[in-house]
Amino acid sequence: QQQVKQSPQSLIVQKGGIPIINCAYENTAFDYFPWYQQFPGKGPALLIAIRPDVSEKKEGRFTISFNKSAKQFSLHIMDSQPGDSATYFCAARGAGSYQLTFGKGTKLSVIP
Amino acid sequence: NAGVMQNPRHLVRRRGQEARLRCSPMKGHSHVYWYRQLPEEGLKFMVYLQKENIIDESGMPKERFSAEFPKEGPSILRIQQVVRGDSAAYFCASTPEDTQYFGPGTRLTVL
Repeated sequence: QQQVKQSPQSLIVQKGGIPIINCAYENTAFDYFPWYQQFPGKGPALLIAIRPDVSEKKEGRFTISFNKSAKQFSLHIMDSQPGDSATYFCAARGAGSYQLTFGKGTKLSVIP
Repeated sequence: NAGVMQNPRHLVRRRGQEARLRCSPMKGHSHVYWYRQLPEEGLKFMVYLQKENIIDESGMPKERFSAEFPKEGPSILRIQQVVRGDSAAYFCASTPEDTQYFGPGTRLTVL
């Protein structure tokens, strides 16, 4: 049973566009939602994370929107660049837990 | 300040051999997690260790897999009698408290 559903599986945008990646979760005990960026052959690197007490968090060109009632959260990348081309994973973790549950990933391609 | 280090980066084994994957956490981190990533999939939790203790191994297959994090030295993920289905990327992460920092991974190929 997949606890974090991520979509789309792949995404192509032009430079300057705003790709949006969505995740939905089922477990209401989740209280920490990070996004990771992974380049080919590398390990995932933390981009930005949010907790359910806020509806939006922005760091540089990356923004997380969080909808607690719908159990959904999304990543927006403003003014996307070819260097943003990577696979993005959403994840979730329950209160008092340490296991991260990952979505299946979105492969983003930003074309010049 | 070195990040999480893993070695080897690539490992090829024949069916039935043993695979040993090493992870050195970031300096000052005493918590290590191992995850497995199959092609086109997200990471799946395997095991959580602190120095000399296995805290949670609920994601580890019951047979052939074991992990340790000794008082001195790196954490080791050991896979005995490997099978083709063990081919994957294995990542470890370390943390002081909240954020998990991932290593570059070991890509295991079983022939």
